[in-house]
Amino acid sequence: EVHLVESGGGLLQPGGSLRLSCAVSGITVSNSYMSWARQAAGKGLEWVSALYPDGRTFYADSVRGRFTISRDNSNNALYLQMNSLRAEDTALYYCARLIAGYTADYWGQGTPVTVSS
Amino acid sequence: QSALTQPPSASGSPGQSVTISCTGTSSNFGFYKYVSWYQQHPGKAPKLIIYEVSKRPSGVPDRFSGSKSGNTASLTVSGLQAEDEADYYCGSYTGNEWGVFGGGTKLTVL
Repeated sequence: EVHLVESGGGLLQPGGSLRLSCAVSGITVSNSYMSWARQAAGKGLEWVSALYPDGRTFYADSVRGRFTISRDNSNNALYLQMNSLRAEDTALYYCARLIAGYTADYWGQGTPVTVSS
Repeated sequence: QSALTQPPSASGSPGQSVTISCTGTSSNFGFYKYVSWYQQHPGKAPKLIIYEVSKRPSGVPDRFSGSKSGNTASLTVSGLQAEDEADYYCGSYTGNEWGVFGGGTKLTVL
């Protein structure tokens, strides 16, 4: 059975940094297409970043240059390093496994990030 | 503004059928078979219910079906049940190694 468990969310001020973690079981992160998506309260879903098995990374225009996606093969975990955070980054952040065509078949339960002064 | 357009709300009575549309452009529906649908109950993570336009993951009831015509994809929920009340999001591959979601449709079972 596949499980994705996010952690690391919190409340911080604009300009701050945070690292989100996604502990994965049941699949191998290094062999999977992995992603982060987010959802602001009462709003829709938005792709944030993706990491392919070959190491290629992709980012939404709104976070490129501020966020970094990475993985730890030994711990079978996915990460999202978020720097220079803005109020508009406030959202519930989900870790998800991608299959063909940017379809996410497994999702975590999400971890909340609030950026506020 | 979402690249995929969905109606904000839809409703139906138990036992009825309801269809939710998802309209894109030739650029984001160009990879025509990569349309997906997600169900999200309040406070829960999204759940994949349709992929590649019309395929259902294991365990998803066949009351859920998907189709596509031109730049509009559709999700039909037949035999509505109370537990189908949720938000529904479409998703598509846009090319250039990226995807997009619709703005979501809140389905109410009357």
